[in-house]
Amino acid sequence: GQQVMQIPQYQHVQEGEDFTTYCNSSTTLSNIQWYKQRPGGHPVFLIQLVKSGEVKKQKRLTFQFGEAKKNSSLHITATQTTDVGTYFCAVEGAAGNKLTFGGGTRVLVKP
Amino acid sequence: EPEVTQTPSHQVTQMGQEVILRCVPISNHLYFYWYRQILGQKVEFLVSFYNNEISEKSEIFDDQFSVERPDGSNFTLKIRSTKLEDSAMYFCASKRKDVSETQYFGPGTRLLVL
Repeated sequence: GQQVMQIPQYQHVQEGEDFTTYCNSSTTLSNIQWYKQRPGGHPVFLIQLVKSGEVKKQKRLTFQFGEAKKNSSLHITATQTTDVGTYFCAVEGAAGNKLTFGGGTRVLVKP
Repeated sequence: EPEVTQTPSHQVTQMGQEVILRCVPISNHLYFYWYRQILGQKVEFLVSFYNNEISEKSEIFDDQFSVERPDGSNFTLKIRSTKLEDSAMYFCASKRKDVSETQYFGPGTRLLVL
């Protein structure tokens, strides 16, 4: 099945700084989704990218889908303490069914 | 805003015991899922359910696991004889239709097998 690798596994960020987390696949992806999971919480959908080279923004979050549709990134500017959590990329199966999650990037923000 | 709900929020059980985890998906959703997350690890797919039958299951979902939609609202996951390694957070999710739709996750049930 499809596998996605996420880097880095951990990200310690000073409040106010920017950071980027990456999601990579060896195969072409039909789509990619991003979820955020707060500590002790459940995955919450952030965005879905479908088109090659697509870029979407949500306030301080910028999501990008690679031209070859094999990688994606999430860039957060001016990190805040509310950004703490684990960010997962996930791929929806060919039949539109299961989500295959990456390993996640756990973000800790230093005030 | 409609939500997926799950009960109980926490479950402690002895190894070998049966547990039933309950979920109420969002009311007009048609696709239902169970995922699990071992502490500190990624979210793993267990099973998907559509039109009153399993549509896909992972290798984790062995004969000890079963799912059921006993009525029009509940969606349950049963583990027949729990093992220590079944300790995890179990998330139910649902979505309205096939592709290009968001899956909405419930708050999870934390299962601890002693």
